[in-house]
Amino acid sequence: GQQVMQIPQYQHVQEGEDFTTYCNSSTTLSNIQWYKQRPGGHPVFLIQLVKSGEVKKQKRLTFQFGEAKKNSSLHITATQTTDVGTYFCAGVSLGDKLIFGTGTRLQVFP
Amino acid sequence: DVKVTQSSRYLVKRTGEKVFLECVQDMDHENMFWYRQDPGLGLRLIYFSYDVKMKEKGDIPEGYSVSREKKERFSLILESASTNQTSMYLCASSLWGQGGSPLHFGNGTRLTVT
Repeated sequence: GQQVMQIPQYQHVQEGEDFTTYCNSSTTLSNIQWYKQRPGGHPVFLIQLVKSGEVKKQKRLTFQFGEAKKNSSLHITATQTTDVGTYFCAGVSLGDKLIFGTGTRLQVFP
Repeated sequence: DVKVTQSSRYLVKRTGEKVFLECVQDMDHENMFWYRQDPGLGLRLIYFSYDVKMKEKGDIPEGYSVSREKKERFSLILESASTNQTSMYLCASSLWGQGGSPLHFGNGTRLTVT
């Protein structure tokens, strides 16, 4: 069946360093969503990407959707301790099925 | 702002018990979802509903059932709880169907089955 793989599983960074998580689908996606889950919290929607090659920015966060619409990335510039949490991508298949990636847990050391 | 409320934050039940997890949303969303979250496995869809009294199986429906008698309320039922159903359960709602619009999650219910 369709899979959405996310790497890395864990990432520890020093505050101020950059961070990137990658999301890869086995099939073409109609769109992709990104969520953030703080420790002890619930997933919160960050952004949705729809177009091939789309790049969107939210302050220090940059989201990219691949040209083939099979992969995506989230890049955080100059991480802060408030960025701590697990970042999930969720790909939407052409059959309108939403599949979550396994998530990347980010730890930021001050 | 959308609010999705799950009735219990923590729940401890015994093997074989019937368990009800309740979820209410206040934004008149058509679509509601139940996920379970386990370390290393991400979020897996159990059931979803796109209208009152309508339900669709997700990826892991075995051992679960659901009820949607009113638009704002979506219940997850474990007919006979087992230890492998120990997990975090997350309810969500959305304006449109799967992937059509953002999911709004509740705070989750951490269920332990002993």
